[in-house]
Amino acid sequence: EDQVTQSPEALRLQEGESSSLNCSYTVSGLRGLFWYRQDPGKGPEFLFTLYSAGEEKEKERLKATLTKKESFLHITAPKPEDSATYLCAVRGNTNAGKSTFGDGTTLTVKP
Amino acid sequence: DVKVTQSSRYLVKRTGEKVFLECVQDMDHENMFWYRQDPGLGLRLIYFSYDVKMKEKGDIPEGYSVSREKKERFSLILESASTNQTSMYLCASSLTGTEQFFGPGTRLTVL
Repeated sequence: EDQVTQSPEALRLQEGESSSLNCSYTVSGLRGLFWYRQDPGKGPEFLFTLYSAGEEKEKERLKATLTKKESFLHITAPKPEDSATYLCAVRGNTNAGKSTFGDGTTLTVKP
Repeated sequence: DVKVTQSSRYLVKRTGEKVFLECVQDMDHENMFWYRQDPGLGLRLIYFSYDVKMKEKGDIPEGYSVSREKKERFSLILESASTNQTSMYLCASSLTGTEQFFGPGTRLTVL
């Protein structure tokens, strides 16, 4: 059974203070690792897909990286508008199109 | 841009009522999903569909059913609503093996 564990559960940063969110996973044959952002009361919004170890993707202040056991979402010089819950999900080759989601990391960036 | 719409943002129903939640996507995706999201429990998959008239149970299908008569539309049905079904319901769609695109969510309250 695929499993995703995200840490920390919550992270509070000062504006400009860079940090990383962790997503550890076990999956039978990784077919994709996905990062989403979710604002309170809204549906998750897709950010990145990573397919193989060593791959990196960037978007504005966010950079996602992937190893064989974990993924990191690096946030460089965050702003208050980066405050949200960040969800990680994996799809394995036995899941017939479904993804397994982690519980998320809630990021708060204070001005 | 992919658009996933849900029929209501907020819904209040009484115990025992039959409840229909509708989801429509405009990108010809073959996969569609229904999740519920509760504080501390993360995203939990209720049902998913990989083609018209095809469905698979997710992790928590009890008390729910689904219908997919057309490719773009996926309905979640609560046959007899109960208070423990008060939750945020999220619909998503995807091409096989790719990221999911989520709707805005329906916050259902069962009194």
